Amino acid sequence: DAGVIQSPRHEVTEMGQEVTLRCKPISGHNSLFWYRQTMMRGLELLIYFNNNVPIDDSGMPEDRFSAKMPNASFSTLKIQPSEPRDSAVYFCASRRSLAGGPHEQFFGPGTRLTVL
Amino acid sequence: QKEVEQNSGPLSVPEGAIASLNCTYSDRVSQSFFWYRQYSGKSPELIMSIYSNGDKEDGRFTAQLNKASQYVSLLIRDSQPSDSATYLCAVNKPNAGKSTFGDGTTLTVKP
Repeated sequence: DAGVIQSPRHEVTEMGQEVTLRCKPISGHNSLFWYRQTMMRGLELLIYFNNNVPIDDSGMPEDRFSAKMPNASFSTLKIQPSEPRDSAVYFCASRRSLAGGPHEQFFGPGTRLTVL
Repeated sequence: QKEVEQNSGPLSVPEGAIASLNCTYSDRVSQSFFWYRQYSGKSPELIMSIYSNGDKEDGRFTAQLNKASQYVSLLIRDSQPSDSATYLCAVNKPNAGKSTFGDGTTLTVKP
């Protein structure tokens, strides 16, 4: 089975442009997580969905960030307008959530975003 | 105080030695504990999970959990240069959908 798929793998854009990151979770997984990783701040949870519903978006930095999960096999993270401080690696992770069950997450390869 | 704390390192050990990585957590009700390995430029990869007090062994890796002292550790026996990576500790509370990650410990195994 394929792992978590993210696209694009690299994105270079200019300040002010809209950026859309995409994620396809592992088939059968019903929880999806978006993380951002930088040297300074480490791995930060931005938002997570359970059964396509956003559960916790407290990590979303500001209104410039938005995330959607229109169906069980696709999610997007959008930054509009982008700023240089958004430069980071963005990871998507998924998990099969069962009541009382394990909570291991499986990470995608990440999207390295550079905002000039 | 951070919810999950790890020594940032770097931790350097010679090849063949035992590497010991430690993690402490602040919330006593935490229930599930994970170690992820992240190679430079790659994504985190789960290597161990532990839910009960005591030791759990998988090959050269042993996870140790002590809920009374609120720490979880990872031992790597017979360390290899290929073990050089950053190790992330993650903790879940009961019925919590999300994991809280530590900042990671960077391990270097020298040949």
